[in-house]
Amino acid sequence: DAGITQSPRYKITETGRQVTLMCHQTWSHSYMFWYRQDLGHGLRLIYYSAAADITDKGEVPDGYVVSRSKTENFPLTLESATRSQTSVYFCASSVQLETQYFGPGTRLLVL
Amino acid sequence: RKEVEQDPGPFNVPEGATVAFNCTYSNSASQSFFWYRQDCRKEPKLLMSVYSSGNEDGRFTAQLNRASQYISLLIRDSKLSDSATYLCVVSLGGSQGNLIFGKGTKLSVKP
Repeated sequence: DAGITQSPRYKITETGRQVTLMCHQTWSHSYMFWYRQDLGHGLRLIYYSAAADITDKGEVPDGYVVSRSKTENFPLTLESATRSQTSVYFCASSVQLETQYFGPGTRLLVL
Repeated sequence: RKEVEQDPGPFNVPEGATVAFNCTYSNSASQSFFWYRQDCRKEPKLLMSVYSSGNEDGRFTAQLNRASQYISLLIRDSKLSDSATYLCVVSLGGSQGNLIFGKGTKLSVKP
């Protein structure tokens, strides 16, 4: 039972490059979320999705794009990476809105 | 004012000690409350929900005071394995299911 997985786990990229972080869950949860975690800020919601083909912005969506063509996948794309997007990114999923299960995270470094 | 505020710690306690964490939230419309635990370089995991009547799970007791907008977590008989960061989490409920995370309180239990 894989649960919720993220790939890659670690990524180094350069400013201006496009980067896609993958999130896959095997529970068929309706809701999926993307957060970033930075020192001094805690976890902040980037985007979320209530179901396939339904996405909405969170607290810090600028510079990010998401899609959800299948229930189990929720990729996050940084269209043109900036140094300020260096962070740890967590994907989460839930059946009910509030009990969220997190993936192991992706550590992204933008040079 | 931050939406969810916690004492960042660190709290350094000996094994067997009792330790209490406090959290305040700013939005009186908040509906649901949680404590998550996050180990170093790992994802957050739900520790327990917090109810107005208070709830207990083994050595862990959570309390909610809606009038004061205050949440607490008490850990009795601390174990080395309790060392982690404890995140206070609040939800407004509704269609978004947006979780608002505190920055966390770091606990270190020493032998």
